[in-house]
Amino acid sequence: NAGVTQTPKFQVLKTGQSMTLQCAQDMNHEYMSWYRQDPGMGLRLIHYSVGAGITDQGEVPNGYNVSRSTTEDFPLRLLSAAPSQTSVYFCASSQRGSTDTQYFGPGTRLTVL
Amino acid sequence: AQSVAQPEDQVNVAEGNPLTVKCTYSVSGNPYLFWYVQYPNRGLQFLLKYITGDNLVKGSYGFEAEFNKSQTSFHLKKPSALVSDSALYFCAEQTGANNLFFGTGTRLTVIP
Repeated sequence: NAGVTQTPKFQVLKTGQSMTLQCAQDMNHEYMSWYRQDPGMGLRLIHYSVGAGITDQGEVPNGYNVSRSTTEDFPLRLLSAAPSQTSVYFCASSQRGSTDTQYFGPGTRLTVL
Repeated sequence: AQSVAQPEDQVNVAEGNPLTVKCTYSVSGNPYLFWYVQYPNRGLQFLLKYITGDNLVKGSYGFEAEFNKSQTSFHLKKPSALVSDSALYFCAEQTGANNLFFGTGTRLTVIP
């Protein structure tokens, strides 16, 4: 199993540009989520999904969209990038139980100029 | 609302000495608590979790954590630190919706 994969690993955008961060998992996990990591702030939840066709907002959803058309994929879209979105983005997945362990991808480092 | 605190930004320990990385939580009831480790330029790796049962939880790489309900703490421990343990450690609480609330992280440096 490849686990959780993310592409790209690095990305530089200009303010106002849009892009999609890709996330895929091959563990047949129902739950998937996106976090952003900023220095001194830990990881904060952006959006999550409990299954195909179901998404919901996390702690910091503004400026981001998600969709979940398949169990395997959970892309994160930046509609109009802003410097405040410069961060490292992590995707995670797990079984749906509240005690199940989440498995994280390697991350995407995004810089918005 | 859930809240997880890691009171130390940085912990330094000599190789071979015991290490402790502190974590406290604020939710009432029965929390689901996790420890993750992040090595440089890598994603987060699961170390251990407390769900219920024995207050001493054993995890990967020789780490363990003690759940203390009266002190609302879940400190990470290891009897003998290795230089390779140097990393960023996160404590987190998982909600019923599977969402993780993270502490701000503690950077552990093991000095040879």
